[in-house]
Amino acid sequence: DTGVSQNPRHKITKRGQNVTFRCDPISEHNRLYWYRQTLGQGPEFLTYFQNEAQLEKSRLLSDRFSAERPKGSFSTLEIQRTEQGDSAMYLCASSFGTAYNEQFFGPGTRLTVL
Amino acid sequence: SQKIEQNSEALNIQEGKTATLTCNYTNYSPAYLQWYRQDPGRGPVFLLLIRENEKEKRKERLKVTFDTTLKQSLFHITASQPADSATYLCALDGENAGNMLTFGGGTRLMVKP
Repeated sequence: DTGVSQNPRHKITKRGQNVTFRCDPISEHNRLYWYRQTLGQGPEFLTYFQNEAQLEKSRLLSDRFSAERPKGSFSTLEIQRTEQGDSAMYLCASSFGTAYNEQFFGPGTRLTVL
Repeated sequence: SQKIEQNSEALNIQEGKTATLTCNYTNYSPAYLQWYRQDPGRGPVFLLLIRENEKEKRKERLKVTFDTTLKQSLFHITASQPADSATYLCALDGENAGNMLTFGGGTRLMVKP
């Protein structure tokens, strides 16, 4: 399967703990996006990479969130000192070429903060 | 700030009928609009993209219209099938050269046999 993959698929953690998620995009895709989705809502943009450069970050993104894409391939999203409000589905998407191309989404990582 | 509205109530239709979903937006003039399908527990899947200078686009049983005067897009599924049951999301390009997508809340479609 050459689609976007995300690990883990599910994560349950206690409030205050740190968590890290991984996204492996489609190999030739230069653009990588992170979104967050809560029940009944559409995905909400978090951040965007073009190759290894993080070019955009949502104003809504807390400083507890950090993302990296060190070699322009896979990406990680870390949440420090998790809060119950962080519980959501975290989606990764990738695309190739211009900004007007379709985005390919992974299956997501569902985070539950107790 | 830009706002995207999709009917949050589920749309229930009979198999074989045409489903029409609406996406309205305010405070923005997008260069393009995309429609995605999302099944429970899975990531969205791209369906169609329509640009601001296109009024209509078709792909098999799908048709999308884009009215920049009304600030509205309509998404049609003709000859609907139970397998079309899913949540459908519209998304607009962001304020900075389209590097981000802003999604509506989605409309759940239920096609009954």
